[in-house]
Amino acid sequence: DQQVKQNSPSLSVQEGRISILNCDYTNSMFDYFLWYKKYPAEGPTFLISISSIKDKNEDGRFTVFLNKSAKHLSLHIVPSQPGDSAVYFCAASAGSSNTGKLIFGQGTTLQVKP
Amino acid sequence: DVKVTQSSRYLVKRTGEKVFLECVQDMDHENMFWYRQDPGLGLRLIYFSYDVKMKEKGDIPEGYSVSREKKERFSLILESASTNQTSMYLCASSWGGLNIQYFGAGTRLSVL
Repeated sequence: DQQVKQNSPSLSVQEGRISILNCDYTNSMFDYFLWYKKYPAEGPTFLISISSIKDKNEDGRFTVFLNKSAKHLSLHIVPSQPGDSAVYFCAASAGSSNTGKLIFGQGTTLQVKP
Repeated sequence: DVKVTQSSRYLVKRTGEKVFLECVQDMDHENMFWYRQDPGLGLRLIYFSYDVKMKEKGDIPEGYSVSREKKERFSLILESASTNQTSMYLCASSWGGLNIQYFGAGTRLSVL
């Protein structure tokens, strides 16, 4: 039972354009969402997060949008740069748990072409 | 900076061997996690621990056990390694009640 799904295994965009990575979830108890970025041979690094009380959070070139009614979130990268080429994972948690447990999606490989 | 250190970057083991993967964090985090990452499957939680000597099963605990004798150290044990345990293993830690997890660089384990 995949509670967090990233249906696009890969995405290719041109440098300078917008990258949009999507994530869907099924559990209505999820109230905190995160995006991680992973380069080959490195561990994932935290990128940006959003609480369910918000519908948008912005940090520099990265913006996360949350649509609770559709159980959908997306990560926008504008403008995309070649250094953004990596695997991106979305993750979700139910805040009632104090163990900090996260449920991860399958990941989307982003390639930004120069 | 938070630092999560995994003892080995690459390991090659034989089927049936007992394998220990070690993880140490330096930020006094309460929570520690072990994941495996496989292509197309994302990060799947094997075990986690929210306190010393406490452990809980994740989504795929079969064939694995864990040990947390000290707050900073969380060990993953493969009692009898099998070829289907060939994978990238990632350790993470976080403060209690907070959700941002910090990851180590990973251990790529090959079981032959």
